[in-house]
Amino acid sequence: AQTVTQSQPEMSVQEAETVTLSCTYDTSESDYYLFWYKQPPSRQMILVIRQEAYKQQNATENRFSVNFQKAAKSFSLKISDSQLGDAAMYFCAYRSGWGGSEKLVFGKGTKLTVNP
Amino acid sequence: GAVVSQHPSWVICKSGTSVKIECRSLDFQATTMFWYRQFPKQSLMLMATSNEGSKATYEQGVEKDKFLINHASLTLSTLTVTSAHPEDSSFYICSARGGGGGADTQYFGPGTRLTVL
Repeated sequence: AQTVTQSQPEMSVQEAETVTLSCTYDTSESDYYLFWYKQPPSRQMILVIRQEAYKQQNATENRFSVNFQKAAKSFSLKISDSQLGDAAMYFCAYRSGWGGSEKLVFGKGTKLTVNP
Repeated sequence: GAVVSQHPSWVICKSGTSVKIECRSLDFQATTMFWYRQFPKQSLMLMATSNEGSKATYEQGVEKDKFLINHASLTLSTLTVTSAHPEDSSFYICSARGGGGGADTQYFGPGTRLTVL
């Protein structure tokens, strides 16, 4: 079974600075998807970024980018120019590729605090 | 695009009553919807996977007779907590597969906070 590990229960960053959240996963599959979701205090889960395992290029969405290291099974999220609105729980998630399970496997989350 | 709504956003009920939570995909068709439960300061726990027009698939340890799921259309799934008890108090979140990110991406509703007195 696949597992997702987020080793940082909490992180903090100064406003306008850059922070990196770690995520590692374990799988024997070659085709899969990785996601970062953000859950602010409102508890609405928001998709931050998505990466297909077959793509070597790291996904980027504005201030959010990932460092996808397939061989190392690592999928870290970098937030640049941090803003107060970035404060939230961040969950890393894994999904099997075509023909596999549709379920998302979540990590335990990292609570990000942004200091003004 | 890819908006999922949930109703109600919060509900308080007496022990022994049933509560229905609706999950709708507003701007896309969702062949698959998922129901999660989240305890405070914890990650999401998948309860069941719901496919349109067929019976839901429940995760191990989830009582199917207590948590009734119906996915009657491509835009609506419902979760009914039957004979609710205080231990059922929790935050329930639905998600729907599909939308702008592709069929491999789940989009989440805003959640429903259930309090059973």
